[in-house]
Amino acid sequence: AQKITQTQPGMFVQEKEAVTLDCTYDTSDPSYGLFWYKQPSSGEMIFLIYQGSYDQQNATEGRYSLNFQKARKSANLVISASQLGDSAMYFCAMREGPGAGSYQLTFGKGTKLSVIP
Amino acid sequence: NAGVTQTPKFQVLKTGQSMTLQCAQDMNHEYMSWYRQDPGMGLRLIHYSVGAGITDQGEVPNGYNVSRSTTEDFPLRLLSAAPSQTSVYFCASSGSGLLETQYFGPGTRLLVL
Repeated sequence: AQKITQTQPGMFVQEKEAVTLDCTYDTSDPSYGLFWYKQPSSGEMIFLIYQGSYDQQNATEGRYSLNFQKARKSANLVISASQLGDSAMYFCAMREGPGAGSYQLTFGKGTKLSVIP
Repeated sequence: NAGVTQTPKFQVLKTGQSMTLQCAQDMNHEYMSWYRQDPGMGLRLIHYSVGAGITDQGEVPNGYNVSRSTTEDFPLRLLSAAPSQTSVYFCASSGSGLLETQYFGPGTRLLVL
């Protein structure tokens, strides 16, 4: 079974609109972290935001927020006021722990976001 | 601040050749890892290390070798390149906490003919 599922291979959003990228995860470990990365066409992996399993509040970083619904095992990324520069691949990832292998990130297959002017 | 560096940026190999992808970080991170990225597959873990002298296998370790003699360096060796190893390779490093951010290098694009 996949540990991280991103069900939207591609999405379009109008500039200045908000967009939600979906991510569901599967783990039986009570301690885990969820991360979002952005990969523009230039290829580098850019860290955006993270959420710990014990965090009570949703994480926010500027225009990015993470809609964490623990019971549903979802960790959706919300981008507010989309900009043309937001066009990229977005990856959701999880790190479980502690224990053997707890340092490794497991990635979803990604969502390609295209921002339309 | 260099962060995570990788060399080379691009490489073309013939089947059966060997090579080493270099990775270095200057953040004194204990944890380092190698991923490969193939179209539609996300990033998959090849090998990782939790400190100098300690390495372990990830999801797709076959055909690759690693060692970690220093905190800074974590080279990835392709023993006998195969076309199936054509991919983009990323090195990453982080501190050892569960919520420590992994920082990625710029990647190495490898083509095996």
